[in-house]
Amino acid sequence: GAVVSQHPSWVICKSGTSVKIECRSLDFQATTMFWYRQFPKQSLMLMATSNEGSKATYEQGVEKDKFLINHASLTLSTLTVTSAHPEDSSFYICSARNGGSNQPQHFGDGTRLSIL
Amino acid sequence: DAKTTQPNSMESNEEEPVHLPCNHSTISGTDYIHWYRQLPSQGPEYVIHGLTSNVNNRMASLAIAEDRKSSTLILHRATLRDAAVYYCIFGGGANSKLTFGKGITLSVRP
Repeated sequence: GAVVSQHPSWVICKSGTSVKIECRSLDFQATTMFWYRQFPKQSLMLMATSNEGSKATYEQGVEKDKFLINHASLTLSTLTVTSAHPEDSSFYICSARNGGSNQPQHFGDGTRLSIL
Repeated sequence: DAKTTQPNSMESNEEEPVHLPCNHSTISGTDYIHWYRQLPSQGPEYVIHGLTSNVNNRMASLAIAEDRKSSTLILHRATLRDAAVYYCIFGGGANSKLTFGKGITLSVRP
């Protein structure tokens, strides 16, 4: 149980393109979803936290107009990287949780984004 | 930020127990202790979490110190598939986020 599906698993696109990444909780309701970014040989960096039906809360230094997050249902959140540039190339990972931090987070398998 | 301290790396032999330590001296009374692990090019995988009492599940055991300022993740019999980066994290509250540190890289020798 507690499966989180993230799609696509990898994407290569030209600079200036916008890219949408989907995160779905398949067998539970995700009251809260998180988006992380991970550069090679580094730890996960939290980008934003989103609660279903509410605006996302972004971490300091993360541009909300650059990284658009939508959490319209209890099973789906999307991250759109707008006008992507090579410096946005990274490994993006979502996670979902049903309840507070007394509950575990379940992670997707990540999306490898490469901007040419 | 909720910070934990872990050794950078640890080596173990296959089929032997592994004890991964973590210090979290700034933990509050309502913070849960979580452990996740990550294989290369994959998202993290939930391992175990607890508040005060020791916890056991099919993957591991979590031993929490009485003062809750430290904990130990125990893998009872390490396998090659257990080689990963293990993250110890704590957080509390309804909307609390989990902040990942550098984790500990576990290597398992055949």
